[in-house]
Amino acid sequence: DVKVTQSSRYLVKRTGEKVFLECVQDMDHENMFWYRQDPGLGLRLIYFSYDVKMKEKGDIPEGYSVSREKKERFSLILESASTNQTSMYLCAAGLAIRKLFFGSGTQLSVL
Amino acid sequence: DQQVKQNSPSLSVQEGRISILNCDYTNSMFDYFLWYKKYPAEGPTFLISISSIKDKNEDGRFTVFLNKSAKHLSLHIVPSQPGDSAVYFCAAPDTGSQGNLIFGKGTKLSVKP
Repeated sequence: DVKVTQSSRYLVKRTGEKVFLECVQDMDHENMFWYRQDPGLGLRLIYFSYDVKMKEKGDIPEGYSVSREKKERFSLILESASTNQTSMYLCAAGLAIRKLFFGSGTQLSVL
Repeated sequence: DQQVKQNSPSLSVQEGRISILNCDYTNSMFDYFLWYKKYPAEGPTFLISISSIKDKNEDGRFTVFLNKSAKHLSLHIVPSQPGDSAVYFCAAPDTGSQGNLIFGKGTKLSVKP
């Protein structure tokens, strides 16, 4: 199985800070994704990438950007963190959308 | 507008009994459905899937049933075990975007010993 590693389990940031969430996968999969999970809202797609330097907006891209300079690494960037971006962030990778492998998540708190 | 709906936020079942988790969808073009399981502080893990050309798929204690005419699928866990306590998400590949999985809001299953 693919191993997807997210750099931080817990992060606490201040409003207005620039935040980087890092994700690395070990299986050379083309597709990588960033979701956020909020209670009662399920998983919502922020951005995904199907190749190096390629990115596509998901359902809720506002306030976020992404970077994929290498195939194994997909970064999510919060340009200016706000309190409504407090959430669980989940990175996923997979050869096909039909079977994604998720990281353990990063619980971000913006104060 | 939710295309994948899980209308029960929670379900409590006794150990050894059957757990039935339900999912409804609105898009008849969905051709594949997946169930993911998520423990607290962990990422979701793939559990089982079903193609729209089938009406049943079984894997050990887990069976997914698909009723296309009703746009409804269900996950059956028999027998339920305390370790099955988790949040279960139903999902389908978005027909409008090659890279998107549309998730339901999840059902939290509690299996009591």
